[in-house]
This record gives sequence, C-alpha cells and structure tokens, in this order.
Amino acid sequence: GNSVTQMEGPVTLSEEAFLTINCTYTATGYPSLFWYVQYPGEGLQLLLKATKADDKGSNKGFEATYRKETTSFHLEKGSVQVSDSAVYFCALTEAGYSTLTFGKGTMLLVSP
Amino acid sequence: DTAVSQTPKYLVTQMGNDKSIKCEQNLGHDTMYWYKQDSKKFLKIMFSYNNKELIINETVPNRFSPKSPDKAHLNLHINSLELGDSAVYFCASSLRQPTDTQYFGPGTRLTVL
Repeated sequence: GNSVTQMEGPVTLSEEAFLTINCTYTATGYPSLFWYVQYPGEGLQLLLKATKADDKGSNKGFEATYRKETTSFHLEKGSVQVSDSAVYFCALTEAGYSTLTFGKGTMLLVSP
Repeated sequence: DTAVSQTPKYLVTQMGNDKSIKCEQNLGHDTMYWYKQDSKKFLKIMFSYNNKELIINETVPNRFSPKSPDKAHLNLHINSLELGDSAVYFCASSLRQPTDTQYFGPGTRLTVL
C-alpha cells in the first residue's frame, strides 16, 4: 500500500535559519504529492503541491521538488519566520483515488 | 464565507453515548471526506463520499456512520462512544481528481470521558 515517511520532530530553529523537512513516499503508481500545514488550533491548509515528476511546488517562500528517482518531496525554506511555527504534513494521492495518505507530521518551532 | 465548516468545535461526552458532527461546504465540490487525527497528530482517512455516494470506508468500526443528505453536507454519527474515539475529526472537500486540493474544516475535538 501507499505510505509517507517524514522526519521526526520537533524541528527547532532560530528565525532566518534554513529549513529542510524530509519526506519520502511509497506508492504503486504515479502519485500527486502535497505539503499541508496545520497552525495551532486550526485545520489543515494546502501549502504546495506537485503532480508529476520534476515539478516544483512553491508558496510563501516554501519549495518542494517531486523526485521520482529518490521517491522524495523534501520541503525547504531559505529563511524561516516565527509565524512559520506549525505542524507540516507531507501527503500523497494515488492515481484514481482522491483520498490523502499522510505522513505523521513534523512540528516546526521557530524562535526569535 | 467559510469554505468548510464543522459543528460543534468541541464535544465532550460520556462513554456509551451517541453523538453527531455536522459538516458543510460551500465550494461546490463533489467529494467530501472525514479524517481522524489522534493525539500524536497522525491523520487517517475514515470515509470519502462523491455526489452523496460512499466511495471509501477505511476499516472504521460500524459504530461510525456517515450520512450525506446532499452534495454540500456530510455528517458523522457515532454510536456507543468509546474512550478510544477521543480525537480531532476533520471534514474536507475537493473536486474529484487526485490532483485537486482538499479544503479542510477547522476540526471537531471529541473527548470521551
């Protein structure tokens, strides 16, 4: 079956530091890949997505590239802010199915 | 102009009770979902409905019964609540394609005492 593996958190950074959150996946077909973010006390919202190999998704300074050869979709940001503190979820949908399979989430804590 | 709304936001109840959570979306989407988030933040799909028809039921106890009266609503009824049902339940909606973005509601925190 499908699965998503994310690095364990929490990830603790100082403001303006570089962020990488690793995500790898297992899927039988050609999945679409997503990063969702959950701010404290809120629901999830889409951060970015990529639907085919070598696509790069980007939003709010975050980027992730769909790497089929390494089955990865790592999230990066060049300079984090305190307001980026949240839980980040990597997820996939498989061709023909719209339900999301999530990783376990990675909490990011950014201090001033 | 809330896109996906859920009620109630918090639900505290005793073991053995029956409760319902309501979900409505005003995005005109065909597909709606229920996800469960446990205390460790792990999210798992429970149900998926497309145009009021059940598409996916992921090994959820039959004490959980979703009901979709129309495309814009997907309610979750839970019978005989157990301690292990305590979690945050999220409703979501999307168009039908796997590439489409899912829009999530704010969540309902269920606590079973």
